[in-house]
This record gives sequence, C-alpha cells and structure tokens, in this order.
Amino acid sequence: ETGVTQSPTHLIKTRGQQVTLRCSSQSGHNTVSWYQQALGQGPQFIFQYYREEENGRGNFPPRFSGLQFPNYSSELNVNALELDDSALYLCASSPSSGISYNEQFFGPGTRLTVL
Amino acid sequence: DQQVKQNSPSLSVQEGRISILNCDYTNSMFDYFLWYKKYPAEGPTFLISISSIKDKNEDGRFTVFLNKSAKHLSLHIVPSQPGDSAVYFCAASAIIQGAQKLVFGQGTRLTINP
Repeated sequence: ETGVTQSPTHLIKTRGQQVTLRCSSQSGHNTVSWYQQALGQGPQFIFQYYREEENGRGNFPPRFSGLQFPNYSSELNVNALELDDSALYLCASSPSSGISYNEQFFGPGTRLTVL
Repeated sequence: DQQVKQNSPSLSVQEGRISILNCDYTNSMFDYFLWYKKYPAEGPTFLISISSIKDKNEDGRFTVFLNKSAKHLSLHIVPSQPGDSAVYFCAASAIIQGAQKLVFGQGTRLTINP
C-alpha cells in the first residue's frame, strides 16, 4: 500500500509569484485535504476535494485554489505569493466511507519559502 | 479563535514513566478526536482516535480519554520510550459544509529522557 506523497519537498519563491504543489493520495482514498502549517503552530485547514470538486474551505483567500484529478491526486495553487505564505503545506487523504472515514493520513509536506 | 488548545508547549518525562498530554476544545460540534505524532521533516503520523460516543480507547501503550462534559481529552503513553520523543498534535473533527475538517491544537513537544 502506497502512502501519501507530495512534491516538491522544498521550494523557494519570491513575493508575487505563483506556485503549484502536488499530492498523490494513499491507495483507496478518494478524498484529499490540504493544510498549512506555520512555524510553531498546528496545521490549518485550507480546503478539501472529493470527486474532483472542492468540498469545503477554511479561512483562506481565493488566491489559494486547488484541483483534484480522476486518479484522486491533487494540486494546490497559490497566486500572488506573500511573505506570510511561507509554511509547510501538508496534504492528507482519507476514504469517503468505512471505519477509517474520520482518519486522515498525511504526506511529508512541501516546505515553501517566500522571499 | 482557537477551538482546540494544547496548553503545554513542552513536556519532559523519564523513560519508563507515564506521559500525559492534554487537549481542550470549545466546539460541541466536534464528534471525533485524533492524536498525531510528528517528527521533524515528516508529516503528522496518525496515532490513535476516539469517537465522541466513547470515553476511552486503548491501543497498546497508547490510551486516549475523552471527557465530553469538560470538553477535554488526554493521551496517555505508558511506558514512555525514547522513540516517543516528538511533537504531538491533538485534532478534532467535524463535518462543516460537507467537508470533514480537522482542527488542530498547537502541539506539545514531548521529550523522553533516558
């Protein structure tokens, strides 16, 4: 069974640029959630994707957007990068039903630095 | 507003003793609670969970207790081992606008001393 994978591992961008982060969900999981973890804080929910549609959103501006593909992999896009966007971005996958429905499994994250 | 709080940023415990990590929440909509463990440069790893209809769940050395009236949960690790040294996050789950959303606490750094 393959776990959640994310790419790239690290990324450095400058203010105003755009970035795309990628995530492959765990085998058998059709729901993907994205989280932002700032230094010294817990992860903050950005949004969730199910069946290729956004299924719920946290308190993040529209310049944070995403996609989910038919194979359940997902992308997080951030436009007009700001210094405060520097963080660890985590992707988590979960099944849509069954005993593990409430359990989300995380990838290793992408460390984004905005200069 | 911080709906899930872990008030202890750090905890130091001697190897072999019990580690107790605490978490408080404010939103009664939360119906499932999880503990994650995080090592540096890795994503959070799922550890143990509990449904709001239960008050205890045990898995090996790990036990989670839920006190709904106090909106408090705790994670007990016994006996503590050096490999348990990590940051522990408490998370609460609720279905909000169709999405299963996890709300995390700020984390507690646990250090197990030999």
